[in-house]
Parts: sequence; C-alpha cells; structure tokens
Amino acid sequence: QVQLQQSGAELAKPGSSVKISCKASGYTFTSYDISWIKQTTGQGLEYIGYINTGSGGTYYNEKFKGKATLTVDKSSSTAFMQLSSLTPEDTAVYYCARTGGFDYWGQGVMVTVSS
Amino acid sequence: DIQMTQSPASLSASLEEIVTITCQASQDIGNWLAWYQQKPGKSPQLLIYGATSLADGVPSRFSGSRSGTQYSLKISRLQVEDIGIYYCQQASSAPPTFGAGTKLELK
Repeated sequence: QVQLQQSGAELAKPGSSVKISCKASGYTFTSYDISWIKQTTGQGLEYIGYINTGSGGTYYNEKFKGKATLTVDKSSSTAFMQLSSLTPEDTAVYYCARTGGFDYWGQGVMVTVSS
Repeated sequence: DIQMTQSPASLSASLEEIVTITCQASQDIGNWLAWYQQKPGKSPQLLIYGATSLADGVPSRFSGSRSGTQYSLKISRLQVEDIGIYYCQQASSAPPTFGAGTKLELK
C-alpha cells in the first residue's frame, strides 16, 4: 500500500534551519512528484511547492521562495524539504503529499520555532 | 493566485441529515477542484477529484457537483465518522490553493 512516512517533530531556534524528510513506499517513486503543504491554524493550508522525483526539477510558490528548498534521493525514495532562516511564523505542521490529486499524504511534521 | 471562498465556516448537523458545503472560485477553474476531509490530528484525505469523481474507498454518500465557478460537496446521510473539517482545493492554476475549511459537527 502507498505510504508517505515523514520524520519526527522539530523544535528549532529562530534563525536556524531544519530539514524534514518524506519516505515513500508502495509505488514507483519516480512516477509521481512530491508536493509540500503547510498547515497553520491562522492561514489554513498553503502550498509550498513540488519536486519532480525523477529529474529533481522544482516549482516553488512565490511566497516560499528563499524559505523552502526541496531535494530528493531516488536511491532511498525519499524527498526532503529544508526550511531556512526560521521565524515564529514558520511554526506549523508540514505535510508531503503525492502530486496528482494529493491522493496520499504523509502524517505531517510539527515544526516549532521558539527561542 | 486563485481565491477559493468556502462556506459555511462551520456547520452543525444531525445524523442522517443531508449536508452541503460550497466553494466559490475567484475565476474559472473548470473541473479542477478537489475536496478533502481532515479528522482531528490526522492528515487531509482526498474525497473528490475532478469536481465530481469519488476517490477510491470513499463512501457513495459523498458527492460533488459544479455550477459555473461554484462547487458543492454533499453528504447524503451524515454519519458519525463524517465529523471533521472539509477543504476544497483548486488545481487549475499554480499555485494550488485551498479554501479556509468547513468544520462539521454533530448537533
């Protein structure tokens, strides 16, 4: 069965970076792009961008350019998102989802930015 | 970016009741509309894609429809397991955008 397994919760200080992972299983990894989505209580669901898991090509929502960096390791069927220059506004749950209808989602990673 | 205006923000309904949630797109998105259900502490789950197509494993009491740029999600007979937050999402134009959500509660 298709699964997207994300890494654990992160507690980070303002100005630092975090890198979260999304390991796919149960399907051919390079047949689907992986998208990343941010969820906060105030802003709801926001689309960050996606990575083409075959080529490594990326698309970023303008709002997240410079904030998020998407990478992929085909050998381990894992997608990564690095968030940099963290501020309290980056505190959120971050999901990966299989692109093409967002038909499968990871369980989410809570990132808390606090001094 | 395309704006998706979802209503109502919250809804209280009884078991077996018919429930309808609507989503208005700020411009033409064709049938590029999906609906998701999110239960507390869980990830969103795809219910409807292409405005009217039921995702795999989704009960047939869920249905989607379109009238111009207004989209509706209907639950024909509300069940306890349907409680949660529902979101619409347009996939017509990048970036994909979501409605603000409708919180569905039991009366």
